[in-house]
Amino acid sequence: NAGVTQTPKFRVLKTGQSMTLLCAQDMNHEYMYWYRQDPGMGLRLIHYSVGEGTTAKGEVPDGYNVSRLKKQNFLLGLESAAPSQTSVYFCASSYSRAGLNEQFFGPGTRLTVL
Amino acid sequence: GNSVTQMEGPVTLSEEAFLTINCTYTATGYPSLFWYVQYPGEGLQLLLKATKADDKGSNKGFEATYRKETTSFHLEKGSVQVSDSAVYFCALKLNSGYSTLTFGKGTMLLVSP
Repeated sequence: NAGVTQTPKFRVLKTGQSMTLLCAQDMNHEYMYWYRQDPGMGLRLIHYSVGEGTTAKGEVPDGYNVSRLKKQNFLLGLESAAPSQTSVYFCASSYSRAGLNEQFFGPGTRLTVL
Repeated sequence: GNSVTQMEGPVTLSEEAFLTINCTYTATGYPSLFWYVQYPGEGLQLLLKATKADDKGSNKGFEATYRKETTSFHLEKGSVQVSDSAVYFCALKLNSGYSTLTFGKGTMLLVSP
């Protein structure tokens, strides 16, 4: 049982390049989330999904797109990377049922945009 | 809206000292409250939680009591260890309908031998 995994662990991009971050979970969770973590800012929600084929915007969605084609995977895309998107990105997942909705986090992806 | 305020760090303590990390919140509804811990280079892990007023969450020697009258959820530990050095995040989630976690900015704890 691997829990929540993220690919890649590190990445350096040039301004304007695109990339996709992959999150996978093997716990059969309905909900999945993408956060970014910046110094002094805590975690901020980018996008989330309440089920396969559905996505919704979080607190800071601009410049990002997501897709949830399979229940176990949640992809985060940057179409044209900017230095302001330099951050550590965390994926999380949870069950939908109240009382069982602890979020489980992946190990993070450290992204640098030059 | 919903928000969580934590004391700024870093908090530096000697081993076996008493720890308190303050957390207060504002919420538009009735929240559940959480403490997450992030060890260096890792993702967040749930440390403890409380789902209603006066509940006490506890785990690994850490405790926090949900105080509705003061809108607080302070984290305490009687005797910290070097291995407790990490960043601690307070968070809330509304109990009604679907809602996401709202995190505080995190408090770094550094424990020296």
